[in-house]
Amino acid sequence: EPEVTQTPSHQVTQMGQEVILRCVPISNHLYFYWYRQILGQKVEFLVSFYNNEISEKSEIFDDQFSVERPDGSNFTLKIRSTKLEDSAMYFCASSGETNEQFFGPGTRLTVL
Amino acid sequence: QKEVEQDPGPLSVPEGAIVSLNCTYSNSAFQYFMWYRQYSRKGPELLMYTYSSGNKEDGRFTAQVDKSSKYISLFIRDSQPSDSATYLCASERSNDYKLSFGAGTTVTVRA
Repeated sequence: EPEVTQTPSHQVTQMGQEVILRCVPISNHLYFYWYRQILGQKVEFLVSFYNNEISEKSEIFDDQFSVERPDGSNFTLKIRSTKLEDSAMYFCASSGETNEQFFGPGTRLTVL
Repeated sequence: QKEVEQDPGPLSVPEGAIVSLNCTYSNSAFQYFMWYRQYSRKGPELLMYTYSSGNKEDGRFTAQVDKSSKYISLFIRDSQPSDSATYLCASERSNDYKLSFGAGTTVTVRA
């Protein structure tokens, strides 16, 4: 069964460093998303991406964040200068012709 | 006001019991409703997806939507210890592609 994959599973970084989180969406899906979940809190929408551009972004997704689809299979989230409060699980999701969003296993980001 | 509110639980039931989970939402524009299951430190797994009022069944799971009262429910019949997880409700506006999640209800099914 096709699934969304994410790498790395755990990323530890120093405050102020740049991180890139990687995702491979389900192959025939056209819509891609990033969500985050701070420990003990609810899953929050960050950004949606379609046709090589951002469709919608939340207020969390400020200038420190960017997304890219560098090739036909990968979808990345970059955080330019990480802050302590960026520590969270980051989930990639994708959807096809229906609104059903399928999530990856997540990347746990720890900012020290 | 939170867009999607969910009973926080936690909920503990004996094996074989019916698990009943509920959410309410405030935004009348929400048209699509999902239930996800999330095991500890894992990604949400889509269980049920519906867009109309009424019931939808899939095996031991039944999703119920009442748009008039902005209430969504998930029922798990014949619960198993493997159903122990956090259950998340989520809603989406038409053509919005942005899910609004509830806080999640943690369920433990005791063997």
